[in-house]
Amino acid sequence: EPEVTQTPSHQVTQMGQEVILRCVPISNHLYFYWYRQILGQKVEFLVSFYNNEISEKSEIFDDQFSVERPDGSNFTLKIRSTKLEDSAMYFCASSVLTVYEQYFGPGTRLTVT
Amino acid sequence: GNSVTQMEGPVTLSEEAFLTINCTYTATGYPSLFWYVQYPGEGLQLLLKATKADDKGSNKGFEATYRKETTSFHLEKGSVQVSDSAVYFCALRVDYGGATNKLIFGTGTLLAVQP
Repeated sequence: EPEVTQTPSHQVTQMGQEVILRCVPISNHLYFYWYRQILGQKVEFLVSFYNNEISEKSEIFDDQFSVERPDGSNFTLKIRSTKLEDSAMYFCASSVLTVYEQYFGPGTRLTVT
Repeated sequence: GNSVTQMEGPVTLSEEAFLTINCTYTATGYPSLFWYVQYPGEGLQLLLKATKADDKGSNKGFEATYRKETTSFHLEKGSVQVSDSAVYFCALRVDYGGATNKLIFGTGTLLAVQP
């Protein structure tokens, strides 16, 4: 069964460093998403992406964040200058269309020290 | 605004016990409702869904009924197994035409089933 994959599973970085989180969505899906979950808090929507453009972004998704689909398979989330409060589990998801199920990856745990 | 509130965990049950995890929502418009499950070390998996009032979603012995009058979508299972131990997330999606239709999640409820 096709699945969404994410790498790395755990990333440790120092405050102020840039990180790139990678995702491979399911191949025939058109919509891509990033969510995050700070420990003990809700899973929060960050951004959605369709047709090589951001469709929607939340208030969390400020200028420090960017997304890209650099080739036909990868979908990346970049944080330019990490802060302590960026420490969280980051989930990638994809769906065929917006009204269809979103399939989630296993997540990347980002720890900023 | 749109939000989901679910009961805090952890919920600890013995095998074959009855499970209820409460979920209530606030939404503008008519949301679709979901339960996702996360097993240890894995991603979020859709467990069941309901797209309109009075719909019942069911899967793997779990059920939830979309109750518009009480704005609830409680998850139930008649007899839990050790393998059901996981974190359960209630979520909603408000389906606007042409928009992203992001998911809005509750905080998650950890279920631990003991043999």
